Amino acid sequence: AQTVTQSQPEMSVQEAETVTLSCTYDTSESDYYLFWYKQPPSRQMILVIRQEAYKQQNATENRFSVNFQKAAKSFSLKISDSQLGDAAMYFCAYSGGGADGLTFGKGTHLIIQP
Amino acid sequence: EADIYQTPRYLVIGTGKKITLECSQTMGHDKMYWYQQDPGMELHLIHYSYGVNSTEKGDLSSESTVSRIRTEHFPLTLESARPSHTSQYLCASGTGEQYFGPGTRLTVT
Repeated sequence: AQTVTQSQPEMSVQEAETVTLSCTYDTSESDYYLFWYKQPPSRQMILVIRQEAYKQQNATENRFSVNFQKAAKSFSLKISDSQLGDAAMYFCAYSGGGADGLTFGKGTHLIIQP
Repeated sequence: EADIYQTPRYLVIGTGKKITLECSQTMGHDKMYWYQQDPGMELHLIHYSYGVNSTEKGDLSSESTVSRIRTEHFPLTLESARPSHTSQYLCASGTGEQYFGPGTRLTVT
């Protein structure tokens, strides 16, 4: 079974600075997807960024980028120029080739200090 | 914003009642999912469906049941609610990346 580990229960960063959230995973599959989801307080879970395992190039979406290290099974999220609206729970998630649902990490609570 | 809807958003109900949580999506996705999330915790898959008339149990054992009679509709039912069912229930759809509904926060007293 696949597992996803987020070792940082909480992170705090000053507004406008850069923060990196860590995620490691364990799988025996070669074809899979990795995601970062954002869940603001009492609001809907939204997709931040996705990475296909077969792609060597790291995904980027505006201020959000990932560092995907397939051999190390590491998938960190970097948020540049942090904004107050980035405050949320961030979940790392894995989806295998069969796509029987997502496997989530326990989440990282990101606090943005004004 | 994704076109996936859940009702009710909040529900407080007494023990022993039968409840149905509704989930609908307008994106035409074949695959739909139900996750359970306790406060401040990760999500656990409890049910999924590959399409009409397909339902499967997820990783987390649940006393709830689901049905998939129409592509766009994936309701979850608890025949007899108990306090241990108190949680947030999130519906999602999609292949690969998933789009989530706003969730139903259920409290059983």
